[in-house]
Amino acid sequence: GENVEQHPSTLSVQEGDSAVIKCTYSDSASNYFPWYKQELGKRPQLIIDIRSNVGEKKDQRIAVTLNKTAKHFSLHITETQPEDSAVYFCAGQMGNEKLTFGTGTRLTIIP
Amino acid sequence: ETGVTQTPRHLVMGMTNKKSLKCEQHLGHNAMYWYKQSAKKPLELMFVYNFKEQTENNSVPSRFSPECPNSSHLFLHLHTLQPEDSALYLCASSPGLAGSYEQYFGPGTRLTVT
Repeated sequence: GENVEQHPSTLSVQEGDSAVIKCTYSDSASNYFPWYKQELGKRPQLIIDIRSNVGEKKDQRIAVTLNKTAKHFSLHITETQPEDSAVYFCAGQMGNEKLTFGTGTRLTIIP
Repeated sequence: ETGVTQTPRHLVMGMTNKKSLKCEQHLGHNAMYWYKQSAKKPLELMFVYNFKEQTENNSVPSRFSPECPNSSHLFLHLHTLQPEDSALYLCASSPGLAGSYEQYFGPGTRLTVT
């Protein structure tokens, strides 16, 4: 089955700087890669996703890039703000198979 | 509350107790999931149901028993649990399994096994 690895496990950045979280996946047939954000004490929520026919997708300050050849994808957050502090999970899915989540990255924005 | 609801929000139980967690989704979705969230494994899939049929059992011990009477309700029956089963149990739903659907999570049940 699919295996998704996520790095780093913790990340601290100064407010206003950029943050990058990277994930790798094992199954080259995977074609859907969402990112979920979980704020402290709250439920995970989808923030952005990308499909395998696209190399990059942006939504305001967040972007996701996908390198199918290398089987990795990354989340980029620019101009970070305190409300970006949360745990971020990447995931990969192939067709109607289950969604496999990474182990999470705890992002802390330092004011 | 709309979306995905879970009850109870907190549960403390002894190792010999039997209890059930309930999940309800008001989104008209066909797939429902149980996840376990702990410090060791941040988001661990337990069970998947699609159109009330179980499609995934991720090697979960038999002391956890899921039930899906219809597409809107999902239960997790607990019995003779161990302290290491203490965790946040999250329910989620999605329109279907295929097609890259967003999963909508409930608020979770914080379970403590004493």
